[in-house]
Amino acid sequence: AQKITQTQPGMFVQEKEAVTLDCTYDTSDPSYGLFWYKQPSSGEMIFLIYQGSYDQQNATEGRYSLNFQKARKSANLVISASQLGDSAMYFCAMRERVLIDYKLSFGAGTTVTVRA
Amino acid sequence: NAGVTQTPKFRVLKTGQSMTLLCAQDMNHEYMYWYRQDPGMGLRLIHYSVGEGTTAKGEVPDGYNVSRLKKQNFLLGLESAAPSQTSVYFCASEQAVNQPQHFGDGTRLSIL
Repeated sequence: AQKITQTQPGMFVQEKEAVTLDCTYDTSDPSYGLFWYKQPSSGEMIFLIYQGSYDQQNATEGRYSLNFQKARKSANLVISASQLGDSAMYFCAMRERVLIDYKLSFGAGTTVTVRA
Repeated sequence: NAGVTQTPKFRVLKTGQSMTLLCAQDMNHEYMYWYRQDPGMGLRLIHYSVGEGTTAKGEVPDGYNVSRLKKQNFLLGLESAAPSQTSVYFCASEQAVNQPQHFGDGTRLSIL
């Protein structure tokens, strides 16, 4: 079963508009963490935002915010005021405990293209 | 501050050849990971290490071996390269499980 599901392979957004990237997850671990990473065309993985399963408030980091709906197992990334530099692949990831270790599982990613 | 450094950045191998990818981190992180990234599949965990001298299998370990003789280094070996191992390989490290992983810039490996 897929641990992380990103249903949007690609999205287009107009510059200065907001965009929401969907992410749903599946885990039985009550203490898990959710991450979003950005991968521009240059290939590096850039950490954007983190949400712990026990965090009461949605995480925010500058123009990035995480819409965390625990009951729905959803952790959508919202990018506000999109910029051309936001064009990239975005990955949702979940950290959960598996036996004695913690594993990070990635979704397949969503490609965002920002139009001028 | 170098962070996580992967060597080499690009490599082309012939089927059956062997090679070692090197990952070095200067952040004194305990945990280190090797992933492969293939189109449409995100990142998949190959092997990982929770400390010097320890290694464990991830999601797709077959055909790979690893070693962590020094805390700062994590080596990924391909004993007999196969075309199915053509991929982009990422190394990552982290200090704690609720902290983000720091990634290297990746190694693009092609097996002919």
